[in-house]
Amino acid sequence: EVQLVESGGGLVQPGGSLRLSCAASEFTFSSYEMNWVRQAPGKGLEWVSYISDSGRTIYYADSVKGRFTISRDNAKNSLFLQMNSLRAEDTAVYYCARPFYDFPYYYFDYWGQGTLVTVSS
Amino acid sequence: EIVLTQSPVTLSLSPGERATLSCRASQPVSSTYLTWYQQKPGQAPRLLIYGASSRATDIPSRFSGSMSGTDFTLTISRLEPEDFAVYYCLQFGTSPPYTFGQGTKLEIK
Repeated sequence: EVQLVESGGGLVQPGGSLRLSCAASEFTFSSYEMNWVRQAPGKGLEWVSYISDSGRTIYYADSVKGRFTISRDNAKNSLFLQMNSLRAEDTAVYYCARPFYDFPYYYFDYWGQGTLVTVSS
Repeated sequence: EIVLTQSPVTLSLSPGERATLSCRASQPVSSTYLTWYQQKPGQAPRLLIYGASSRATDIPSRFSGSMSGTDFTLTISRLEPEDFAVYYCLQFGTSPPYTFGQGTKLEIK
């Protein structure tokens, strides 16, 4: 069974940094694009960032551009999100999500359980 | 950026009733890239519908999706107790940014 397990969340002060990880298993990680999606407490889902299977193509939501960096290590089946200059509004559960391309369809078929990031002094 | 507007924000119904949830796009969206997810408290979202109208694996037949122009609809034909949750539409487009609707909370009346 495909598994995505996030880690690295916690309490951080405004302006601080945090690095999230997503460990993938039971699929060929290097063949899949990956994404981060977040959900503020009591709020809806927000797409955060995308990385291609090779890592060469990357996109960010405007709300995190210039502060967050997505990366991956295909040899270690891991996805990362480096979060700098954190703000209170970055407080959220962060999910890694695997997209599946089933021509011509595209959708997130697997999600991790999420890791909570709290930005507060 | 494509904006998805879901309505209603909250839908109060009883088990056995029919639920109709709407997702309207601010500009044309390919049906192949429109998806619906169910999320229960403390859980990750679960894929229900992809390609606007195709049910994901193991999703009961009471869930169906449809499309008319820029309007997408998720219908639950006869509500079961486990269907009360929050539902989100998500569009992928040909490249990011991807956008979610703000969600519809389906609650027990």
